[in-house]
Formats: sequence, structure tokens, C-alpha cells
Amino acid sequence: KNEVEQSPQNLTAQEGEFITINCSYSVGISALHWLQQHPGGGIVSLFMLSSGKKKHGRLIATINIQEKHSSLHITASHPRDSAVYICATSGGGADGLTFGKGTHLIIQP
Amino acid sequence: NAGVMQNPRHLVRRRGQEARLRCSPMKGHSHVYWYRQLPEEGLKFMVYLQKENIIDESGMPKERFSAEFPKEGPSILRIQQVVRGDSAAYFCASSRSPGGAKNTEAFFGQGTRLTVV
Repeated sequence: KNEVEQSPQNLTAQEGEFITINCSYSVGISALHWLQQHPGGGIVSLFMLSSGKKKHGRLIATINIQEKHSSLHITASHPRDSAVYICATSGGGADGLTFGKGTHLIIQP
Repeated sequence: NAGVMQNPRHLVRRRGQEARLRCSPMKGHSHVYWYRQLPEEGLKFMVYLQKENIIDESGMPKERFSAEFPKEGPSILRIQQVVRGDSAAYFCASSRSPGGAKNTEAFFGQGTRLTVV
């Protein structure tokens, strides 16, 4: 059974700082997903990746298949980036997604 | 192309009543997943359905919970005789191909927040 671990659980930073959220998993997977959830809100898919690196605006996601590790980076962070960021995996013997517990990010002005 | 539509967004039920949560997948998607997010906890898989078939219900409680995805109409998650512990956000996601397959992106609905009083 796949275990997905995220760190840190909580992160508070100042506007403009470079943010890194880490995710590790325990078994081989088909893909890794980074999701964003605002308080009381829905879930938005930010990235799906199975190798290498992807970039979208100020967000960058990387994955190291051998290390079973992924990172989500936010450059020039802004208060509107405040949200819960969730790492999830697909495959690995599961039909649905397997989720980490999420990282609560607060960006202070 | 509308996204995954869930309704209602908020649902209040008294203990012992039934809750019905609906999910209309994105157009062209025949794979539907239900997830539950308990307060202060992460998301957990409940059930995976294709049209008219339950493929994997390993994450769903054995009693009081059921799910269907009929040939016509939305997928329904049904909770009978609700208890306070059922209070949670229930999210539906859909995909074009099976969730375990490579390059299968899942699209989420806005969720239904169930409160049992």
C-alpha cells in the first residue's frame, strides 16, 4: 500500500519568498499530482507529472522517480497563494488517488 | 465544456435522515471517483465507478453507504441514517481513462459539505 508523506504540514512565509513543499511516496506510481485547495473551496489540479519538471507561471513541480520524491516550488510568493497544497499519487495498485495530508501555506503581506 | 458538477454544495441533515450527493462528470468522462475529507484530515478514497459498474469500493464503509453511476444521469453517493461522524466534505472527480493509468488527469468538483445535526 502506498504511503504519501508531505512536509512541512504548516508553512508561514513573507510575500516574495521562495516556497518549497516536499512529497515522498513509498511505491512505484503512474503519476504524481499537485492539487490546491482554498478554505471551504474546491480542489484544483496544478500539475500532473510522471517524470522531470513542469512549470506554470510562478509554480514549478519536479519529480525524482528513483528517490520517490517530488517538490512543489512557488517563486515570488503572494498572499493569494495562501491555500492548502496537496500531493497525491495515481497508480501504485490503487484505482483512485492516494493523498498526502496537505501543507497549509500562509503568505503574509 | 462544464467541469465536474456536484450538488448540492451544502447539505444539512438531521441524524437518521438520508443524504444524497450528486456528481455529473465532465463530458466524455466515464470514470468517477468519490473521496471524503473529514475535518482536519486528508482526503481518502471511497469508491471508483464506471458507467453502471462499481469497480472498487474498498474505501467505502460497509454499512449505510452506497454509490451508483447509472447509464443515464449523475453518479449518486447515498448515505442512509446519517450520524454526526458523517459530517465531512465529499468530493467527486472524473477522468477520461482509468485512474491508475499513466497520464490520466482527474478533474474535481467543488465538493458537497455535509453537516449532520
